[in-house]
Amino acid sequence: NAGVMQNPRHLVRRRGQEARLRCSPMKGHSHVYWYRQLPEEGLKFMVYLQKENIIDESGMPKERFSAEFPKEGPSILRIQQVVRGDSAAYFCASSTTPGTGPYEQYFGPGTRLTVT
Amino acid sequence: QKEVEQNSGPLSVPEGAIASLNCTYSDRVSQSFFWYRQYSGKSPELIMSIYSNGDKEDGRFTAQLNKASQYVSLLIRDSQPSDSATYLCAVGRVGTASKLTFGTGTRLQVTL
Repeated sequence: NAGVMQNPRHLVRRRGQEARLRCSPMKGHSHVYWYRQLPEEGLKFMVYLQKENIIDESGMPKERFSAEFPKEGPSILRIQQVVRGDSAAYFCASSTTPGTGPYEQYFGPGTRLTVT
Repeated sequence: QKEVEQNSGPLSVPEGAIASLNCTYSDRVSQSFFWYRQYSGKSPELIMSIYSNGDKEDGRFTAQLNKASQYVSLLIRDSQPSDSATYLCAVGRVGTASKLTFGTGTRLQVTL
């Protein structure tokens, strides 16, 4: 499967627990983006990462949310002490390295987070 | 004013007709424009990208861009029931591999 991979596809957490969402970019892509889609709302940018670097986190909530993209392994979006308002679909997208393409972003299947 | 605006619809067109979806954006620095299709409960799927003024055609899809008017559109010819979905307009900046700003989407219904 050469596409963007995300897991888990569905995640249920109780209020106060931690949620960890994983994303492996498309083969050959080194840029990862996380977006959140709340029910009946549009996609909202959260964070943009390259390997070992956070490039733009202007869309990340100031507290409880963090993201990383280590040298080895998938990108991880971590939500600490989840609240009901965190229930949403979280999508990861990836794109090519600058200079090699038009930066089209391709989305993974998403993780549906439900906080009970 | 929203950064990217779309009519939420639903836009209803009969099978075989042309569906016209519109999008306006506010940031004049925007230089890359994308249309994504999203079926209910699924992830966005890239349909078209356009970077220069004018038309770009790919099969039954044509994207149109007018930077002076800050307007981008998507035409779907010979609409099929399988085209029924929400179409998201996204705007970005060429050269910085940056975030995309999405509209809230237009729901298209193709009727038999």
